[in-house]
Amino acid sequence: DTGVSQDPRHKITKRGQNVTFRCDPISEHNRLYWYRQTLGQGPEFLTYFQNEAQLEKSRLLSDRFSAERPKGSFSTLEIQRTEQGDSAMYLCASSLETTYEQYFGPGTRLTVT
Amino acid sequence: AQRVTQPEKLLSVFKGAPVELKCNYSYSGSPELFWYVQYSRQRLQLLLRHISRESIKGFTADLNKGETSFHLKKPFAQEEDSAMYYCALKYGQGAQKLVFGQGTRLTINP
Repeated sequence: DTGVSQDPRHKITKRGQNVTFRCDPISEHNRLYWYRQTLGQGPEFLTYFQNEAQLEKSRLLSDRFSAERPKGSFSTLEIQRTEQGDSAMYLCASSLETTYEQYFGPGTRLTVT
Repeated sequence: AQRVTQPEKLLSVFKGAPVELKCNYSYSGSPELFWYVQYSRQRLQLLLRHISRESIKGFTADLNKGETSFHLKKPFAQEEDSAMYYCALKYGQGAQKLVFGQGTRLTINP
């Protein structure tokens, strides 16, 4: 296990299409977070899971966004009917419930044309 | 609402000079603050947190509740310190939800 992995690393899609991203956390980490980062900004919190339960969603997460973590391991983030404003870097992070440090993945860069 | 401000988007200093990256926060609760760093072509990683009160790679940061600041300092900059630095605030109960500042790109000139 070499850390948090994300797939794909880059995604180009046309407006209106659906996209899905995957995040594989560090294996023993029970918390998983999604962030979005636009150009020139820091990451913004979207949602987090503890095991398979999605415990909180940011108001940034519109109805077109859905995230799952079905078995408490990997997670998927789906964006339906993509818009140009969805273009961003989507970051995943994981942590243990008992520690403060979040370990980030390399991110998935989404470009909506 | 919680907010983190990093007033400098870009900071350039010469090798061996002191460095200070500014961070101010706004939060009604008890703050817990972090500095994250992203080196070129690497992922975001934790540099230090205020509770630890430790020095990492020569960097220190002191929480000043009166001035609501958490500035990052290093007395003698090195070229390998060139990176993007983000100040982050933990908020909410339970999980480590973080709000980040906009980031400061630090460049160390030889």
